[in-house]
Amino acid sequence: AQKVTQAQTEISVVEKEDVTLDCVYETRDTTYYLFWYKQPPSGELVFLIRRNSFDEQNEISGRYSWNFQKSTSSFNFTITASQVVDSAVYFCALSERNRDDKIIFGKGTRLHILP
Amino acid sequence: DTAVSQTPKYLVTQMGNDKSIKCEQNLGHDTMYWYKQDSKKFLKIMFSYNNKELIINETVPNRFSPKSPDKAHLNLHINSLELGDSAVYFCASSQVGAGITGELFFGEGSRLTVL
Repeated sequence: AQKVTQAQTEISVVEKEDVTLDCVYETRDTTYYLFWYKQPPSGELVFLIRRNSFDEQNEISGRYSWNFQKSTSSFNFTITASQVVDSAVYFCALSERNRDDKIIFGKGTRLHILP
Repeated sequence: DTAVSQTPKYLVTQMGNDKSIKCEQNLGHDTMYWYKQDSKKFLKIMFSYNNKELIINETVPNRFSPKSPDKAHLNLHINSLELGDSAVYFCASSQVGAGITGELFFGEGSRLTVL
């Protein structure tokens, strides 16, 4: 069965600090896909990134970076030099191949960036 | 021009009533979803439809009945509302293959409060 665990319920950091959001997943499939979404205070959910199980390359996009490690079933998200606008709830999500596009979300981590 | 629009955005009603939430997407997507987000921000998939056909039906009480008159619309009808139904309901749409791309396009959510 697929499962996504985000153990950090809430994190607060001061602006300009780096912060890492943890995500651990469980799946029996060898082919699966991982995603991160952002939900700012306005409420809409925004897709950030995807990673498939065959691609363990880390990715950097501006101040955002993602570290995918199959050995530990983790897909962590780091924000460098955080800004107040990064304050949001961040969701890690998982889908398995041939599962009718069913995307399972973790419970989210609420990130507060303090000025 | 809103890509995925839900109405109403807010709904306050008494226990035992029946209510509907409507969703429309103008992205030309084939697949639409309903997700429920509870007060702790936990986001759980309820249903998905592909071109008017029910694909995903999670263990949702049968008081919840989705209806898709065409592939651009997916409505959610809830009978005999209970206190535990209070949540934000998100509609989303995607091309087929969102389980691979992760590219779900979400509406702004409909906040349902049952008194």
